[in-house]
Formats: sequence, C-alpha cells, structure tokens
Amino acid sequence: AQTVTQSQPEMSVQEAETVTLSCTYDTSESDYYLFWYKQPPSRQMILVIRQEAYKQQNATENRFSVNFQKAAKSFSLKISDSQLGDAAMYFCAYRPGGGYTDKLIFGTGTRLQVFP
Amino acid sequence: DAGVIQSPRHEVTEMGQEVTLRCKPISGHNSLFWYRQTMMRGLELLIYFNNNVPIDDSGMPEDRFSAKMPNASFSTLKIQPSEPRDSAVYFCASSLGSPSGNTIYFGEGSWLTVV
Repeated sequence: AQTVTQSQPEMSVQEAETVTLSCTYDTSESDYYLFWYKQPPSRQMILVIRQEAYKQQNATENRFSVNFQKAAKSFSLKISDSQLGDAAMYFCAYRPGGGYTDKLIFGTGTRLQVFP
Repeated sequence: DAGVIQSPRHEVTEMGQEVTLRCKPISGHNSLFWYRQTMMRGLELLIYFNNNVPIDDSGMPEDRFSAKMPNASFSTLKIQPSEPRDSAVYFCASSLGSPSGNTIYFGEGSWLTVV
C-alpha cells in the first residue's frame, strides 16, 4: 500500500526567508502524481503545486517550488520569500496513475509558522 | 468559476440525530470524493464515486454512514444515528476522472459537532 510521510510536525520561518518542507512516499508504481495542499485556519484545502512522476523537471508556482527525487521517493516543498499569509498546515499527497484509482493519499501534515 | 460547494458549513447536532451533508461538485467533473478530517486520524478518504457510481467505500467507518450520488451534480453523506466520535470536518472534493492524475479540488468543508 502507498504511504506518505511528513516527518516535520512543525516548522517556522522568518518573513522573507526560505523554508523547505519534507515529504517522502512509498510506492511500487511508476506512474503517479504528487501534490502539496495548504490548509489555513479556515480549513479549506488549497492546491499549492503538483508534480507528475514522469516529468523530470521540478514544478514551480511563483514562490513555491518542489524538489522531486523519484529514486529517493522524496518530494519536498520550498517556499521562498515567505509571507505571513503562508502560515498554515501543509499536506503532501500522492495519487496513483491509471484507471479508476483516483484516491488521494495524504501525509499527516506540517504546521508552518511565519514570524515577522 | 464556482468551486465545490458544500452545505451546511457548520452543524451542531445531538447524539442520535440524523445528519445529512451535501455537496455540489465542479461542473464537468466526474469523480467525487468524501474525506473526513480529525485530529487523531488526519485526512481519511471515506468514499469516492466515478460517473455517479461508488468505486471504493472501504473507508466508510460503519453502517451508520451512507453516501449517495443520484446525479452528476449532487451527492450526500448521511450519518444515522450520529455519535460524538463523528465530530470532524467533512470535505467533499471533485476532479476529472480521466486522465488520472487530474487535480482534486476541495470544498470548504462541513464542520460537524455531535454533542
């Protein structure tokens, strides 16, 4: 069974600095997708970034980028120029590819605090 | 564009009462998911539908929980009778089921408190 592990329950960063959130996953499949979701205090789940496993290039969305290491099964999120609004829970998620296996499997989350 | 719409946003009910949570997926999406989030168990997939058909309901905790999707634009999650341990945030989410890997979009969640 696929699993997603986020080993950092909490992280903190100074405003304008850079922070990296870690995520590892376990799968025997070669076709899959990886996501980072942000959950602010409002509890809404907001997509931050996604990565297709078949793509070697790391995904980037403005201040958010990932370091995808397929062989190591690692998918870390880097937040550059951190802002107060980045404070939230961040969830790493895995989705199998192919067929009707549409499940999204979540890690336990990392709480990010941003200090002014 | 309208996102996934859930109702009610908040509900407080007494133990033993029936609770019905509602969801309208994004128009055109053919996969729909119900997730539950608690402090103890994190985010759990309860059930998901593809083209209105339940594909995997292995996450439904017990017979008190049931979910339906009578058409492509509406789904319900029902708890009867409700218990305090059902208190959680329930998320509905949707995506295009094909090709696989399309992003899953979440609603704002329904906060359920059973007292």
